[in-house]
Amino acid sequence: GAVVSQHPSRVICKSGTSVKIECRSLDFQATTMFWYRQFPKQSLMLMATSNEGSKATYEQGVEKDKFLINHASLTLSTLTVTSAHPEDSSFYICSARDLGFGGGYGYTFGSGTRLTVV
Amino acid sequence: GENVEQHPSTLSVQEGDSAVIKCTYSDSASNYFPWYKQELGKGPQLIIDIRSNVGEKKDQRIAVTLNKTAKHFSLHITETQPEDSAVYFCAATPPPGRRALTFGSGTRLQVQP
Repeated sequence: GAVVSQHPSRVICKSGTSVKIECRSLDFQATTMFWYRQFPKQSLMLMATSNEGSKATYEQGVEKDKFLINHASLTLSTLTVTSAHPEDSSFYICSARDLGFGGGYGYTFGSGTRLTVV
Repeated sequence: GENVEQHPSTLSVQEGDSAVIKCTYSDSASNYFPWYKQELGKGPQLIIDIRSNVGEKKDQRIAVTLNKTAKHFSLHITETQPEDSAVYFCAATPPPGRRALTFGSGTRLQVQP
C-alpha cells in the first residue's frame, strides 16, 4: 500500500532557529499533500494544502511566513518552521493522497514529527 | 466548510465487550468517511472507511455504518481487545479529491483486560 515517510520523528531546537520537516511519498506520486498540527490530547488541525509546483494554501490563522511549505516534486513536500518559539511546539503530521488509488481516496499519513522548542 | 462532531470523548469497556463511537457531519456534499486509529506518538492509521453510496461496511471485528439522511456515521468494534486501546478519529471530506479531511475531536478508547 501507499507509504508516506516523514522525518525527523523528533526534533528539539532552540528558540529563534528554523526547523525543516520532510514528507515523502515512497511508492506513489502525490500531487496534493496536507500538513496538520496536533496539540496534546487534541484533534488534527489542518494547517495548509500544497499542490506540486504551486503555492500552498494556508488555513485561516496559520502564518504562511512562519510555516513555509515547499512541494517541488511529486514525491516530496517540506514544512519549515521559521524562527521557532516554544508555542510552536507540537506534533506535525503530513498526509498525501494517492490519486492512483482506484481513482478514489487513499489518504495516507506520515508518522508525525514531535517538535519541541526550548 | 465541513464540521465533524464526535462522541464520546472517552470510552472504557471490558475486554470482549463492544465499543461504539459516533460522529455527525454538517456538509451534505461529503461523500467519504474514514476512521483512523492513533497510538501515542504516531500518525493516524486508517482502520476502515465508507463512501456515501453504501450504508454499512465490515472488516472482521470492525464495522462502520452511515446514515446520509441524518448525516451521521458510527464505528463499531466487537470483541474488543487490550490492543484496541488508542485514540480513534472519524473524518469526512466532500469532493473533489484534492480537499483535506476534516477530523472529529477524537475518542480515547480504553479496553480493560
